Parts: sequence; structure tokens; C-alpha cells
Amino acid sequence: SQQGEEDPQALSIQEGENATMNCSYKTSINNLQWYRQNSGRGLVHLILIRSNEREKHSGRLRVTLDTSKKSSSLLITASRAADTASYFCATDANSGAGSYQLTFGKGTKLSVIP
Amino acid sequence: NAGVTQTPKFQVLKTGQSMTLQCAQDMNHEYMSWYRQDPGMGLRLIHYSVGAGITDQGEVPNGYNVSRSTTEDFPLRLLSAAPSQTSVYFCASRGGLGEDTQYFGPGTRLTVL
Repeated sequence: SQQGEEDPQALSIQEGENATMNCSYKTSINNLQWYRQNSGRGLVHLILIRSNEREKHSGRLRVTLDTSKKSSSLLITASRAADTASYFCATDANSGAGSYQLTFGKGTKLSVIP
Repeated sequence: NAGVTQTPKFQVLKTGQSMTLQCAQDMNHEYMSWYRQDPGMGLRLIHYSVGAGITDQGEVPNGYNVSRSTTEDFPLRLLSAAPSQTSVYFCASRGGLGEDTQYFGPGTRLTVL
């Protein structure tokens, strides 16, 4: 079953604006990751935030994590047309070796209009 | 490094046919996984492996077999294809314990008629 649920399902913004996507999940996690998928391509890892972290930055990306609300947000600042893609959150609910499963949400489709 | 490679890129099968989707990685990663992606469903885990000789089932394993005889290769076998297996299949790998980033292949688009 899906662990993460992204919101909104689709988002359309003008180039230069900020884009915010949210992810909610159900069970305790070890870490939460965000991936990008361009149309017809594989997924590319963007950023990872661990359960003991609240905020993380990478370039124009800012991720927050609220474990009490079981939610995360991805902010892309100063968006560009090249940011047009689907964005997925994925949760890692295992903390050790052995069984390992990364569970993905259904994604947010972002369109950045030039 | 080539990263994670998958073959073929596209495949059309008839119901009942069998085939193997190939996946290879050259990063010496311990963990490898197979996902399927369907419209509106995100990615769902089919099978995964935490090392050569070790495999386990994911969320949607029925109709698929895997084996892991080497660190590099993790083929996915469809024994008797069904239309419900029409999907895009992604292979992924990661380094192992403490290595959390997954690297994805470009995908195989499979259509079962």
C-alpha cells in the first residue's frame, strides 16, 4: 500500500515563482526522500532528510519534515522551465540491514510555464 | 560508470508469453530492487535483493520471479504475461546499510496484449 501521499496532484506555476509540494505518510520512518522524474525517464534522487532532522537545503531545494504530523514539504525556489517534472516522496521505514523497502507516493506533477 | 542499465527499453508481449527484463549496475551496490509504475499509482515494489543469493518479495510480487546470482545483475522474469502486467518497470540499486540514495535505471515499457 502507498505510504506517502503527495499534495497537490498537479501544480502549474510561472517561471520564477516558488513551488511547494507536500507529502504525508502513515508510519514511523527512518528517513524521507524526494525524487524527480522527467517525462519518460527514470527517477533521480534530489534530497534526503532523516527522522531527527527538521529542515534541509540543497541549492534551490528546501525540505522540511514534521514527524509529529507525519508530513514533509518540498519547496523549489525561483522555478525554471527545466523543473517541469513529477516529484515523488519516498519513505524508508526500516532502520537496519536485512529487510529494506522504500515506499513511494503517487507524485506531484509540476508544470513551470516560461 | 554506466550506473543502472535496463534492457530492453520497450517490449510487446502476447498473453501467456514469458520474458526476462534485464538489470545491471556497475557501482558494486548491495541492494537492488524492481518497481512497476502505473498511471496514478506511483511506484510499487515488486521484489528486492540485499545481496547476491538473497531476494525477497515486495508489495506486488505475484507473477514475477527474480534471482541474484551476482552483485551486478538482477533480472526480473515474467513467467506467463498477463495484460495486468502492462506497466513501466524500473530497476534501482543502492549501496547498502547506511547508503540511502537509490539510483534508478531508465525503465522498460512493457505492453501485454
